[in-house]
Amino acid sequence: EDQVTQSPEALRLQEGESSSLNCSYTVSGLRGLFWYRQDPGKGPEFLFTLYSAGEEKEKERLKATLTKKESFLHITAPKPEDSATYLCAVQAFGNRDDKIIFGKGTRLHILP
Amino acid sequence: EPEVTQTPSHQVTQMGQEVILRCVPISNHLYFYWYRQILGQKVEFLVSFYNNEISEKSEIFDDQFSVERPDGSNFTLKIRSTKLEDSAMYFCASSQTSGARADTQYFGPGTRLTVL
Repeated sequence: EDQVTQSPEALRLQEGESSSLNCSYTVSGLRGLFWYRQDPGKGPEFLFTLYSAGEEKEKERLKATLTKKESFLHITAPKPEDSATYLCAVQAFGNRDDKIIFGKGTRLHILP
Repeated sequence: EPEVTQTPSHQVTQMGQEVILRCVPISNHLYFYWYRQILGQKVEFLVSFYNNEISEKSEIFDDQFSVERPDGSNFTLKIRSTKLEDSAMYFCASSQTSGARADTQYFGPGTRLTVL
């Protein structure tokens, strides 16, 4: 069964304190791995799509990396406005459809 | 920038009533989805829709649920007889293509459904 596990569940950082969020996945074959940001009461906001091991993508203070078993979302010198829940999701080969399987997310809180 | 829109933002209904949640996907997208998120839980897939038919549905999507694309722009989710456990955020998503390489799904802001 395809699975996505994110850690930690919650993370509190001081402004400027860099860290990484982890996403471990088990799929029959990876078509793509997604990172989304979700603010309270809002829909997931797309950040990155990664397709193959070794791939990296960057956007402002965020950088996503991918291996054959996990992905990391690195946040460099975060600001309070980076506080949100970060969701990892995968899409696998072998499905008739294109459903995304989500992890539970990491709640990130950046203290000023 | 094009975005997925959803209405209403909040729907309150009595148990046993029918509700229709509405979505306008991004205009050149061909694949449409509904997901739900019960408070404090993960986002869960409900159904995918392509070429005017359901492509796949989850175990959650039972006979009480239906989807429709009534015109060229709207995509709806109907819950025929709501239950207390249907209370959740419902997200619509759309993607442009589907192929060997995953295509990004863009999500709407959600409809909060409260069943009393």
